[in-house]
Parts: sequence; structure tokens; C-alpha cells
Amino acid sequence: DAGVIQSPRHEVTEMGQEVTLRCKPISGHNSLFWYRQTMMRGLELLIYFNNNVPIDDSGMPEDRFSAKMPNASFSTLKIQPSEPRDSAVYFCASSPTSGRGREETQYFGPGTRLLVL
Amino acid sequence: SQQGEEDPQALSIQEGENATMNCSYKTSINNLQWYRQNSGRGLVHLILIRSNEREKHSGRLRVTLDTSKKSSSLLITASRAADTASYFCATALSGGYQKVTFGTGTKLQVIP
Repeated sequence: DAGVIQSPRHEVTEMGQEVTLRCKPISGHNSLFWYRQTMMRGLELLIYFNNNVPIDDSGMPEDRFSAKMPNASFSTLKIQPSEPRDSAVYFCASSPTSGRGREETQYFGPGTRLLVL
Repeated sequence: SQQGEEDPQALSIQEGENATMNCSYKTSINNLQWYRQNSGRGLVHLILIRSNEREKHSGRLRVTLDTSKKSSSLLITASRAADTASYFCATALSGGYQKVTFGTGTKLQVIP
């Protein structure tokens, strides 16, 4: 399996521009997570999908951020308009669903390094 | 604030020595996981320990869990230069869905 795929790997944009990050989870995984990692705040969960449905978006910073999962093999995280403080590494992770429910390992993608100038 | 706090924040050891990292958390958990992150890469799962377990081994890794003290430790024995990375604990809270919260991480440097 190719693992979790994220694109682009690097993104440099100017303040005010729209940014779209993409994620393809591991085939067969039912859960998908978007995280943001910065030196100041560490690794933060932004949103969690289960079976393509958003379950917890309490970590989404503000209305400028939105995430979608139109099908089991694709998700997007959009920032519009982007601001310099959004500069971070954004990770997508997926995990399978087992009968035990809460013990699944999360498999992380390589991340998208975003720089907003 | 973060559910998990790792200690120390940074650790530098010689190759062949053992490395111990600690994680403290605040509320009851269902399980605790340890992840490794190499520079510029995503996190990789190392080991999971359930709340009713006290110790678990995987290769050169040994994890302990003390729920009374709300703490866990990760021991890497006979360290190698390739173990140089940041290590994070992640706690899954009791109840609710499988939301895990990551700690602040310990940056380990193993000097050849």
C-alpha cells in the first residue's frame, strides 16, 4: 500500500490567497484526521471524519478553514483567505475501524509544508 | 493545554546507551500510544498500551503505564543513530470517540 498521500508537499502563497490541501487515505480506512503542527502549538487536531462524515471539527481555528470528504478516498482542507499565522505543516492521517473502536493506530501522511507570506 | 506532556523536552545520548522519555497526562484514558517523527516526516506509530496494562515490549522498546500517577515512560534500549527523532505520546480519552491528543514531544539525539 502506498500509505496516506498528501499534496502538495510544499506550498508558498501570499496572504489573502486560497489554499487547498489534499489527502488520499489508505484504502479501507474509515477514519480520517487533519492535524496542524507548529513549533509554538505542537500537533493540533483540526477535524476528524468517520465514514466521510465530520464528527469533530472543534479544532478548526475559524471560519476561514473548511474541510470536506466527498468520498472514502479523498479529503480536502481549504483555507480562504490565508494569513501568515496559518504557516505550518499540515498532516492528514487515517485509521481503520475495528470492533474495539478506540484502539486504532493512526497512519500519517508526509505532510504539506505551508508558508503564507 | 495539551493532554500529554513529555519530559525531557530534549535528550542527547551516545549510541548504545538507553534513552528514557516520560509522558504525563491529566484525565482518565482508554489507551496511550507512542509515535516517532523523523525530521520533516509524518508521525509513525510505535506502540499502544491499554489502560489495564502496565508494561509492553516491542523489540528494543519498552513502555510502562502507571494510571495512578497518570504517567507513561518509553525506554529505547541500545540506542542507534537511526533512533534520532522526536517522540510523542498520544492519549485516547475514556468515553466518546477515538480522539487522541498528542503531547509536546521529546527530541532525541543519538550521537554515533
